[in-house]
Amino acid sequence: EPEVTQTPSHQVTQMGQEVILRCVPISNHLYFYWYRQILGQKVEFLVSFYNNEISEKSEIFDDQFSVERPDGSNFTLKIRSTKLEDSAMYFCASSSPGQIEYSNQPQHFGDGTRLSIL
Amino acid sequence: DAKTTQPPSMDCAEGRAANLPCNHSTISGNEYVYWYRQIHSQGPQYIIHGLKNNETNEMASLIITEDRKSSTLILPHATLRDTAVYYCIVSYSSNTGKLIFGQGTTLQVKP
Repeated sequence: EPEVTQTPSHQVTQMGQEVILRCVPISNHLYFYWYRQILGQKVEFLVSFYNNEISEKSEIFDDQFSVERPDGSNFTLKIRSTKLEDSAMYFCASSSPGQIEYSNQPQHFGDGTRLSIL
Repeated sequence: DAKTTQPPSMDCAEGRAANLPCNHSTISGNEYVYWYRQIHSQGPQYIIHGLKNNETNEMASLIITEDRKSSTLILPHATLRDTAVYYCIVSYSSNTGKLIFGQGTTLQVKP
């Protein structure tokens, strides 16, 4: 069964450094997402992306964050200058277009990258 | 904030059916009900979703009340591997919509 893959599984970075988290969505999917989960807390939406544009972003997704689909297979999340509070699990998800309006294909998640900021 | 209410925890005996309730009294007409689960901080795993009708797949069944204000996820024969946090999420239409996760229900399947 196709799956979303994320690399690396664990990233350790010094505060203030830039980090890029990578995701390979399911191949025929067109909609892409990033979520994060701070240890012991809820999964939180960061951003959705479609047709090379951000569709929606949360308050968490400030100017330090950016997303990119640099080629036909990868979807990346960049944090420019990491802070201690950026330490979390980051999940990528993807979904295919619905067949009809409101038909809603589900989002499928990767197993995440654990980001640790020192 | 999440638009759903779930009990924080439930127990189920291995081999028995697990029935996980969810209240979503403010659901609007074009919002779907999704169920995901998360095992040991792995990525959320999609289980099932529905709009109005009851749904069944290889993992579970979803029963939605006629007024759509509540639903129940049924795992027909729970195994130890079904121990996880189960999230009920209502989401507006399309794939551009965010999923808003609540605290979910921690299901403990016991031998």
